[in-house]
Amino acid sequence: DIQMTQSPSTLSASVGDRVTITCRASQSISSWLAWYQQKPGKAPKLLIYKASSLESGVPSRFSGSGSGTEFTLTISSLQPDDFATYYCQQYNSYSPPLTFGGGTKVEIK
Amino acid sequence: QVQLQESGPGLVKPSETLSLTCTVSGGSISSYYWSWIRQPAGKGLEWIGRIYTSGSTNYNPSLKSRVTMSVDTSKNQFSLKLSSVTAADTAVYYCARVDSSRGSDYWGQGTLVTVSS
Repeated sequence: DIQMTQSPSTLSASVGDRVTITCRASQSISSWLAWYQQKPGKAPKLLIYKASSLESGVPSRFSGSGSGTEFTLTISSLQPDDFATYYCQQYNSYSPPLTFGGGTKVEIK
Repeated sequence: QVQLQESGPGLVKPSETLSLTCTVSGGSISSYYWSWIRQPAGKGLEWIGRIYTSGSTNYNPSLKSRVTMSVDTSKNQFSLKLSSVTAADTAVYYCARVDSSRGSDYWGQGTLVTVSS
């Protein structure tokens, strides 16, 4: 099974900061990587798919990069609405289980 | 706009079977994978498994012996059964649509299932 490792697990940042979250896969998943944002009491929301494609309606301050085993989610200028927990997930259809990373909580500094 | 809604008992006794149904509206259930994901309080997301509209399934190996998923295309529903539950199965359970190129693009709101006597 493919393991997904996210870092850091918690991140303290201020409004306006540039924030980067890393996700590593235990083996190559090409670009089959999605990023989700989850706020307390809510379902996760898709932000980025295929490692770097922005989901419709998601602000352009969110971006994703990487391929193979190393991926990053970047928020270029952190906004108050962005304080949340972020998860990566590999969704290579030929390699279930479709594992999630452990999550990164972005907190107010 | 595709919408998903989980339904089922919110309380299940230990050793019994948890049963949930996800109803899809605003679009056809056909030609997609559909997933179940769960999240214990204060913890991360755990992928339980997926089912295609043909009935083909893949389960998380850690739960495989206890999980059964099914689909009813006539009702635009898919279901989850998890047997022999313990307190460790207490979680919010989500259903989601899996687009093969975009990942889990539509999610239900989640339903809390508590395992307790």
